[in-house]
Amino acid sequence: DVKVTQSSRYLVKRTGEKVFLECVQDMDHENMFWYRQDPGLGLRLIYFSYDVKMKEKGDIPEGYSVSREKKERFSLILESASTNQTSMYLCASSSLRTAFRNTEAFFGQGTRLTVV
Amino acid sequence: AQSVSQHNHHVILSEAASLELGCNYSYGGTVNLFWYVQYPGQHLQLLLKYFSGDPLVKGIKGFEAEFIKSKFSFNLRKPSVQWSDTAEYFCAVIRMDSSYKLIFGSGTRLLVRP
Repeated sequence: DVKVTQSSRYLVKRTGEKVFLECVQDMDHENMFWYRQDPGLGLRLIYFSYDVKMKEKGDIPEGYSVSREKKERFSLILESASTNQTSMYLCASSSLRTAFRNTEAFFGQGTRLTVV
Repeated sequence: AQSVSQHNHHVILSEAASLELGCNYSYGGTVNLFWYVQYPGQHLQLLLKYFSGDPLVKGIKGFEAEFIKSKFSFNLRKPSVQWSDTAEYFCAVIRMDSSYKLIFGSGTRLLVRP
């Protein structure tokens, strides 16, 4: 089974702190994604990466950055946490190099971040 | 910008009722389409997917969806819902061009009353 593992299930941070959310996948997937999930807004794409050291902005990149130094690991960074970044953060991965261009994404269990 | 619209935000049904959840997307090129489900307290799971071929796709737990290209729609259906179908349902689209971004709709919360 594909596994996408997020380093923390719950985090509480103070306003202004630098926050790192880590995600690791074990299926050699090229694509990795970071979303935030808020009630009534669904999943909104923050950043995604289609290869090591490659990244693209999603729909809501402001206040976030990412790092992908290794294929299996994709980190989301909140440079200076603010209360409006309190949310559930979801990591996902997918591959393009499978039969029939199967782009199904697999998700981690999520990190619920509270910024106080 | 590409968008995915789910028009029903909250749906309440009684057991055995039929379900149809709407999903429309705005991109005109080749797409892959998905429905994901999130049961209370659990992570997102794939319900079904469409890549090509037969536009009527069948997924797990008796769900199916029909891709209508002319309407840019991918509606989810189930003939008879169960209490255990209570969950949040998300439609998602990938553009099969250079971007490969996976974009989600805002979700539909389904409550099935026993």
